[in-house]
Amino acid sequence: QQQVKQSPQSLIVQKGGISIINCAYENTAFDYFPWYQQFPGKGPALLIAIRPDVSEKKEGRFTISFNKSAKQFSLHIMDSQPGDSATYFCAASKGGTSYDKVIFGPGTSLSVIP
Amino acid sequence: DVKVTQSSRYLVKRTGEKVFLECVQDMDHENMFWYRQDPGLGLRLIYFSYDVKMKEKGDIPEGYSVSREKKERFSLILESASTNQTSMYLCASSSPHYGYTFGSGTRLTVV
Repeated sequence: QQQVKQSPQSLIVQKGGISIINCAYENTAFDYFPWYQQFPGKGPALLIAIRPDVSEKKEGRFTISFNKSAKQFSLHIMDSQPGDSATYFCAASKGGTSYDKVIFGPGTSLSVIP
Repeated sequence: DVKVTQSSRYLVKRTGEKVFLECVQDMDHENMFWYRQDPGLGLRLIYFSYDVKMKEKGDIPEGYSVSREKKERFSLILESASTNQTSMYLCASSSPHYGYTFGSGTRLTVV
């Protein structure tokens, strides 16, 4: 019930292409879904987040799509760039924010090749 | 900018040693967390704390303990290090306004 599933484990995309990472959760008490981006040698940093009252949130080239009935959400990176190469974690928490403890997915290693 | 500082980037310890990992945050955040990061497993919560001298177990507390004597400092203790505790350890702090901020991590190798 506490688990957040994430796929694929790794992803290789051509520069300019669309990167898509999918996540699923079981616990319907989760009400805040952040995505974190981690570069080598750094801690994860918040990229974008969504609450279940909306089905989509866009910030620049990054878009979260949320399907509450299916308990699934995904990250789309449009016009992917080599600088986007990083590990991406989807996550979930309760309380409407990431103030409380956050449950992370296993991560997706994204490589964007020129 | 909120800063979460972990005292060591790399540590090598021997099996059976007592290991202290230190974490300090400079923004007066109430909540602090310790995660370990392993390939294919993501980040798993070890312990967290909502206040000074308060601690709660996360999903994988076995073999670990924590100490929070001051609001800004949260220490992770490996009572008797074992090789299966070789991992990347990440500390984070959070507040209602800022959410999570992570440190850069400590890569611990137990030999």
